Amino acid sequence: SQQGEEDPQALSIQEGENATMNCSYKTSINNLQWYRQNSGRGLVHLILIRSNEREKHSGRLRVTLDTSKKSSSLLITASRAADTASYFCATTPSTFNFGNEKLTFGTGTRLTIIP
Amino acid sequence: NAGVTQTPKFQVLKTGQSMTLQCAQDMNHEYMSWYRQDPGMGLRLIHYSVGAGITDQGEVPNGYNVSRSTTEDFPLRLLSAAPSQTSVYFCASKTGKGNQPQHFGDGTRLSIL
Repeated sequence: SQQGEEDPQALSIQEGENATMNCSYKTSINNLQWYRQNSGRGLVHLILIRSNEREKHSGRLRVTLDTSKKSSSLLITASRAADTASYFCATTPSTFNFGNEKLTFGTGTRLTIIP
Repeated sequence: NAGVTQTPKFQVLKTGQSMTLQCAQDMNHEYMSWYRQDPGMGLRLIHYSVGAGITDQGEVPNGYNVSRSTTEDFPLRLLSAAPSQTSVYFCASKTGKGNQPQHFGDGTRLSIL
């Protein structure tokens, strides 16, 4: 079963605008990660936020985490055509140990940046 | 530094055939895993390994076998291919340290006729 659900499933915006994607999950987590997937390629890690963190930044990316609502959001500012991709959230369970590093992925948001 | 390398990139099989998807990493990562990606379902974990000689099942292990004889390699075997196994398969690896990302290969696109 899927741990995370991304919202929206698809998003189209004009280049230069900001894009916001949301992720909800079901069980307690140790960390939440965001990945990007370009068409026909593997997943590329964007950012990891730990369960005791509320916000994290990396370049044009801003991630928030609300563990009380079991939700996270990814904001991409000043979007570019190269940001066109699918974005996935993934969680590591709170019962974390090295033998339990099982990432559970959401269903993804397909982002299209219109030049 | 090649990262995670998967071969082949594309494969077509007939129902009942067997094959092995190869995965190799050159980062000396302890943890390796296999996922399948189907439309509208995200990635689902098939099998994973925390080190050479140690493997365990993920969410959807039926019909697949794995082994981990070396740190570098983690092959995935389809025992008797079925059309339901048509999917894109991704291999990933990560260091044994906590709170670290996984590194993915570019995938193998498998069609079962």
